[in-house]
Amino acid sequence: DAKTTQPTSMDCAEGRAANLPCNHSTISGNEYVYWYRQIHSQGPQYIIHGLKNNETNEMASLIITEDRKSSTLILPHATLRDTAVYYCIVRVLNNNDMRFGAGTRLTVKP
Amino acid sequence: GAVVSQHPSWVICKSGTSVKIECRSLDFQATTMFWYRQFPKQSLMLMATSNEGSKATYEQGVEKDKFLINHASLTLSTLTVTSAHPEDSSFYICSAATGTSGYEQYFGPGTRLTVT
Repeated sequence: DAKTTQPTSMDCAEGRAANLPCNHSTISGNEYVYWYRQIHSQGPQYIIHGLKNNETNEMASLIITEDRKSSTLILPHATLRDTAVYYCIVRVLNNNDMRFGAGTRLTVKP
Repeated sequence: GAVVSQHPSWVICKSGTSVKIECRSLDFQATTMFWYRQFPKQSLMLMATSNEGSKATYEQGVEKDKFLINHASLTLSTLTVTSAHPEDSSFYICSAATGTSGYEQYFGPGTRLTVT
């Protein structure tokens, strides 16, 4: 699987949009971009995934660049409960072998 | 949505004893289950992958005789830490996937093991 690069940490004001970047310059054509988050002392939670089109669900939006070498996870209105470590992972669909990088520690501040 | 449970949520044991952690898929059948370990302030590290009815596949550097994995049914996998030592103290997380789950891997809440 391709490697990803994420900033170590980010802060965001409560109620504002949180934009979390991820670089995956070596992504292959059949690899998807997945985002998970882990709130302290809990198991990871699935957020969203995409191949090349932008995706949106009730939790977040995923913007993937046209060359697919980077993506951004957007939490439109961050709340204090969104404070967590966010992991960007690229993998082939139906390959359940998932490798976690260091992730981005997002802190939402009042 | 698919739910994965783990039991116990936390356990304290003495050095030299063995501890069993259960991972259950509550509302779906999991053909594949994964075990991860997470040390404080670090990311999740995959320990092993298990398919129902077959032997687990361990990641490099993970001792299969120390971390015994059993995936006897489509809804249950167990991880037994044998002869536990303080350095085995960690957060153990399982996840489960169906053969057709594709994009989603469902994670359990984790088990915190402390070896004294």
